[in-house]
Formats: sequence, structure tokens, C-alpha cells
Amino acid sequence: GAGVSQSPRYKVTKRGQDVALRCDPISGHVSLYWYRQALGQGPEFLTYFNYEAQQDKSGLPNDRFSAERPEGSISTLTIQRTEQRDSAMYRCASRPPTGVDTQYFGPGTRLTVL
Amino acid sequence: QKEVEQNSGPLSVPEGAIASLNCTYSDRGSQSFFWYRQYSGKSPELIMFIYSNGDKEDGRFTAQLNKASQYVSLLIRDSQPSDSATYLCAVNMGEYGNKLVFGAGTILRVKS
Repeated sequence: GAGVSQSPRYKVTKRGQDVALRCDPISGHVSLYWYRQALGQGPEFLTYFNYEAQQDKSGLPNDRFSAERPEGSISTLTIQRTEQRDSAMYRCASRPPTGVDTQYFGPGTRLTVL
Repeated sequence: QKEVEQNSGPLSVPEGAIASLNCTYSDRGSQSFFWYRQYSGKSPELIMFIYSNGDKEDGRFTAQLNKASQYVSLLIRDSQPSDSATYLCAVNMGEYGNKLVFGAGTILRVKS
């Protein structure tokens, strides 16, 4: 595809429900990142994959958050037993395999937990 | 102390002026630095990256890096109303340099 895509773009859920957010990186990009962005703040690192391997998950807030990328392409960020404080914009980014280590962001998923 | 600090602004400049955006960072081992622009309701868009001390110019944009002072800046010459946005400074940290840490961003307003 032309850019990073994310789905759904908007998700409204009730507290206690599980949600799964999807990211499809730019074709050929082996590195994939998840961020969370609160209003008026910069993106906050959550986790990072190189191919299918989760290289760094130090930013995941707690064990309700998990991510996977089983085939080294599409990634899913799962939040179990959602809480109101999980409401935020969740952004995915991907990086090309060689050259400059820049990251390109997708449009994000706006999660609202009621 | 935050890892990447920016003045939140807003920074207001008249059209045609130079806008100067500043950022400081805490990790002396950081090697790569980025400026992203984010329009309201949109995703961050890469503007510039810089690795070496000194200046790097790209069109109306100049990034400046001083690793000794742990300082990076972005200059926008001939500012246009379309430059009005939030500018995010990002520093590559982490064990393998694969973790971008962002500042909170500086709001820039260019008045015509």
C-alpha cells in the first residue's frame, strides 16, 4: 500500500471489554512500532517489532496490553479489560529496512472507553 | 526530568518571519534526531532528520544539532500560514537506538 494503514479508525467500547487494533505497515518495512498519543502530548512508545520478533515492549503500561506480529507484516495491539484511562489515539509506524532510520506514521485509531 | 523537552508555546510569528523551535534531550548517547509536523487531527509527518553536529538545510527548513549541549533546533524561514501546526521533536533512544522518544510538541502559529 501507499502508506501505513490502521483499523478501525475509531473504536468506542465499554469498560471491561477487550479491543484489538490492527496495523498494516508499508510494504517492505520490516520494523513496526506502536505508540499511544494523549491530547496535547507527543506519541509515547509502547512496543517495537523487527519482522515477527517483539524487540522491545518496555512501553506497554501493564499486562493488559499485548501485541503480536505473527507473520512479520500485519500487527495487532490488544487491550484486555479496557479502562477509561486507556482512551487515547493509538498510532502505528513503520520503518524501511535500510538507509535512514525514520518512522512513518499511520492515521491512528481513536479509542474511547466509556 | 523529561527525556525530551520542548516549549509548548504557542509560538506566534508573522508571515515571512523566521520561526525558531527548540528541543533539549537527556540521553547523551542518542545518535539520531527528528522533527515531525502534526496538523490538528492528523498523524505526525516527518520534516527533517539530523545525525551530525551542525546545520542541515532542506528548503525553508534548517535543523541544528549540538550534542555537547544536548540541544536540537528547527528553523523555518519565510514562515507561511500553512506552517501553523504542532512541531514534535523526537530522539532515538533505547538499547538498539530503535525507540523514538517524543517531546510534547511546540504549537506554531503563523499570522498573515
